[in-house]
Amino acid sequence: KAGVTQTPRYLIKTRGQQVTLSCSPISGHRSVSWYQQTPGQGLQFLFEYFSETQRNKGNFPGRFSGRQFSNSRSEMNVSTLELGDSALYLCASSSDLSGRAGTQYFGPGTRLTVL
Amino acid sequence: DQQVKQNSPSLSVQEGRISILNCDYTNSMFDYFLWYKKYPAEGPTFLISISSIKDKNEDGRFTVFLNKSAKHLSLHIVPSQPGDSAVYFCAAHWRSALNFGKGTSLLVTP
Repeated sequence: KAGVTQTPRYLIKTRGQQVTLSCSPISGHRSVSWYQQTPGQGLQFLFEYFSETQRNKGNFPGRFSGRQFSNSRSEMNVSTLELGDSALYLCASSSDLSGRAGTQYFGPGTRLTVL
Repeated sequence: DQQVKQNSPSLSVQEGRISILNCDYTNSMFDYFLWYKKYPAEGPTFLISISSIKDKNEDGRFTVFLNKSAKHLSLHIVPSQPGDSAVYFCAAHWRSALNFGKGTSLLVTP
């Protein structure tokens, strides 16, 4: 099976702009989660989607949003970019059978730089 | 509020010896624990996991131990190999979210 894919791999934006990142999960996986990695805060949970519904959300401002499509692919959007949004954004997918905790498999990430 | 802590930022071990990476957590609701290996600018790679109802899980050279009363998790790598050099993250699962420690950088020297 192909792994989790994320596009684009690298992105440079300026403050105030918005950005959309895309994630395709492992085939058959219905749960998609997003994480932000920064040198100061480490890996932090953004939100998780299952069957097009957001089930959980981390402690991030409303500028961070996401959605999931019927084919389980997911996008996350960051509006009004700030310098502090520069980070590696990681997507992970899980089979999450019957609501049980499942292993999350990560994609390679999107490196966002905000100038 | 850091619910998962890896108190050793770095660890150096000789090839062939045992590497022991430690992790402490505070939330007793965590139901599943995982270890990931990560290289810079790449996504974490899953290594091994353990359910909260178990106390040990083994997969090849990797063994994870869970002590629920102490809220402590450890990863043992035996024998350590130079290719194991990377940053290792401990993660704890609750309500679809993984809570990560800050990582331990492992260096295995020949």
